[in-house]
Amino acid sequence: DAGVIQSPRHEVTEMGQEVTLRCKPISGHDYLFWYRQTMMRGLELLIYFNNNVPIDDSGMPEDRFSAKMPNASFSTLKIQPSEPRDSAVYFCASRPRAIDGYTFGSGTRLTVV
Amino acid sequence: QKEVEQNSGPLSVPEGAIASLNCTYSDRGSQSFFWYRQYSGKSPELIMFIYSNGDKEDGRFTAQLNKASQYVSLLIRDSQPSDSATYLCAVKTVDYKLSFGAGTTVTVRA
Repeated sequence: DAGVIQSPRHEVTEMGQEVTLRCKPISGHDYLFWYRQTMMRGLELLIYFNNNVPIDDSGMPEDRFSAKMPNASFSTLKIQPSEPRDSAVYFCASRPRAIDGYTFGSGTRLTVV
Repeated sequence: QKEVEQNSGPLSVPEGAIASLNCTYSDRGSQSFFWYRQYSGKSPELIMFIYSNGDKEDGRFTAQLNKASQYVSLLIRDSQPSDSATYLCAVKTVDYKLSFGAGTTVTVRA
């Protein structure tokens, strides 16, 4: 199994631009999570899906952030417009129904200048 | 109060020594507890999980849980330079979410 696949690995963009992060979970995993990691705030849960349905988006910082999961093998996290304070590493993680621990993707390092 | 708190570190131990990492949590109803290891520039990797009070051993790692005290710990025996990383404590809250502590950075001196 290739694990959780995220793209791109690195993204540098200018303030005000739209950014789209992509994630392919492990096949058969029912849950998908988007986290953001910064030195100041650590790992923060942004949103999670169960069977492609968003369950809890209370961690999404503001309306500029949106996430979708159109099918079981693909999810996107979009930031529009991006701001310098959005600079962070964004992780996608997935887990099967019966196991509690997540498997994380390699992350996307986002820099907004 | 944060949901999950860890001793801030950094923690420096000599090679071969025991590294002891501590974590407390606020939700008394929490049932599942996890330790993740994160190397610099890499993603978190699950190394241990524990559900019941007591100790759980896996190789050089031992997780300890005391639900009455709302306390979880991780011991790393015979520490190796390859154990140098940040260790994240995570607690499962309702609805399958994991809440993470800020992490403790461990450096093993050769």
